[in-house]
Amino acid sequence: NAGVTQTPKFQVLKTGQSMTLQCAQDMNHNSMYWYRQDPGMGLRLIYYSASEGTTDKGEVPNGYNVSRLNKREFSLRLESAAPSQTSVYFCATHLGFLRDEQFFGPGTRLTVL
Amino acid sequence: KNEVEQSPQNLTAQEGEFITINCSYSVGISALHWLQQHPGGGIVSLFMLSSGKKKHGRLIATINIQEKHSSLHITASHPRDSAVYICAVRGSNYQLIWGAGTKLIIKP
Repeated sequence: NAGVTQTPKFQVLKTGQSMTLQCAQDMNHNSMYWYRQDPGMGLRLIYYSASEGTTDKGEVPNGYNVSRLNKREFSLRLESAAPSQTSVYFCATHLGFLRDEQFFGPGTRLTVL
Repeated sequence: KNEVEQSPQNLTAQEGEFITINCSYSVGISALHWLQQHPGGGIVSLFMLSSGKKKHGRLIATINIQEKHSSLHITASHPRDSAVYICAVRGSNYQLIWGAGTKLIIKP
């Protein structure tokens, strides 16, 4: 089992370009999350999906959109990238609210010039 | 003030030393997590606590709900323990609130 996979691992964009970060899990988990991690700061929640067909904003949703394509896949889209979105992005999953352990993907390092 | 504070931010120690990392929080929680982020970036869950103490190998995690404080201890530390250790709490809205992490370096 692959667990949680993310693509791409690295990406460099110019300001104004768009891209989609992909996340897939084979753990049959209900909940999926997108976080960003910036130096010296804790993980910040961008969007989450408690179950297939639902998505909700987290702490820092501005500039992002998400799609929960099916139970396995949760994508994060930057429509018009800005230098402030330079960060490492992590996708995470867990089975449900009472099953608390989160499983993380390897991360995507994004640089916006 | 952040809702989850970790101390110290950075810690360098010699191999074999006993390590303590602290986490204080200011909100009501249903659970507290300790995670490890390797130098390569991967994040793995170490413990989930709602009370008392848990032990796994050389790692021990404790929580004091009344004092809103948790500690992560590493006994007989080893260079392979070098990583960032992250505390997170699950608040009343079920979302995780994350500490900024403690960077630990163990020198041989």
